[in-house]
Amino acid sequence: QKEVEQNSGPLSVPEGAIASLNCTYSDRGSQSFFWYRQYSGKSPELIMSIYSNGDKEDGRFTAQLNKASQYVSLLIRDSQPSDSATYLCAVNIGAGYALNFGKGTSLLVTP
Amino acid sequence: DADVTQTPRNRITKTGKRIMLECSQTKGHDRMYWYRQDPGLGLRLIYYSFDVKDINKGEISDGYSVSRQAQAKFSLSLESAIPNQTALYFCATSGGIGSRYNEQFFGPGTRLTVL
Repeated sequence: QKEVEQNSGPLSVPEGAIASLNCTYSDRGSQSFFWYRQYSGKSPELIMSIYSNGDKEDGRFTAQLNKASQYVSLLIRDSQPSDSATYLCAVNIGAGYALNFGKGTSLLVTP
Repeated sequence: DADVTQTPRNRITKTGKRIMLECSQTKGHDRMYWYRQDPGLGLRLIYYSFDVKDINKGEISDGYSVSRQAQAKFSLSLESAIPNQTALYFCATSGGIGSRYNEQFFGPGTRLTVL
């Protein structure tokens, strides 16, 4: 079984700081990488997708991908208490469309 | 608004009962997925379907079956429910016609309890 690994946390950051979330994956054939946000008891919500090495920015969110190191990260700038949630990293399985999810990192932004 | 819906949202059933969870989507997506989520275990793929005639087993298909009745409908059945199937179940969709990307969009979930 190909693995997607995340630190479970909780990661605690003060309001206004940068939160850095990390993910490693084992399948070198993976081509698509996603970050989802999940509030307790709710469904996962897609916040970022990245397909090429480098950085991709969308508002306060930046996704970073390094395929050589099999590493993908998510930076959240100017963190807000409303960003407190579990963040799931997802990677496509081989060359297909199904996704393999990490177990998630719990983020707590304190006022 | 294009959406993914799941019914029921909550269900309590007894061991040995047959139960069906339903998923419908108005996004026009070809691909549909069923996941279960358990505390500490994350999201795990049960079954997925890339079109009406295509059904594939995921990581944990034992004890489950699916039916893709139409492009927009994908049902998950537990033929004889057991307590360790108690979990939060999510349906997801992806891929408009010709899409090469796999951004998946999730329904609201069904909380299933098997007593």
